Amino acid sequence: KNEVEQSPQNLTAQEGEFITINCSYSVGISALHWLQQHPGGGIVSLFMLSSGKKKHGRLIATINIQEKHSSLHITASHPRDSAVYICVESSGSRLTFGEGTQLTVNP
Amino acid sequence: EPEVTQTPSHQVTQMGQEVILRCVPISNHLYFYWYRQILGQKVEFLVSFYNNEISEKSEIFDDQFSVERPDGSNFTLKIRSTKLEDSAMYFCASTGRFTGELFFGEGSRLTVL
Repeated sequence: KNEVEQSPQNLTAQEGEFITINCSYSVGISALHWLQQHPGGGIVSLFMLSSGKKKHGRLIATINIQEKHSSLHITASHPRDSAVYICVESSGSRLTFGEGTQLTVNP
Repeated sequence: EPEVTQTPSHQVTQMGQEVILRCVPISNHLYFYWYRQILGQKVEFLVSFYNNEISEKSEIFDDQFSVERPDGSNFTLKIRSTKLEDSAMYFCASTGRFTGELFFGEGSRLTVL
């Protein structure tokens, strides 16, 4: 059974701090997605990874296929980064979602 | 920027009623998905759809659920006889290729009374 585990479940940071959210998955994947869910419920795709590292603005996502582990980093965090960050593994045409990490960045 | 649109944004229905949730995926996308999120819980996969047929479905997607792409643009999720536990936010997503970037709709909130 596919399992996706994220840590931490909740994270509170001060503005400007460097944030790391971790994701472990249990089976071989086609791709690993990081999503952001806003307080209103809408979901936005941040990254889709199958290997290595991707960067978009202050966000960096890495994946280690051998260790079945991915991290999402936020540099110079800002209150507008407050959201739930969700790791999703894509295996075949099924996606398995992690529980999400609730990030709160205080000014 | 292309987007996935979902209607209705919120539907309230009585238990036992049929509900149809509609999604218009991005026009050149080929893979379509429905997910749901019960309040306070994680997002759950329901079904994936490609080439006018279901690719994969979860254990949640029982005989009460069906999907259809009736006219080449809309992608619908039908719940035949709603139960209280069907109350959730339902998200549609599409992607241009098998492992491509996912584009989500804003969601349809279903409340079953």
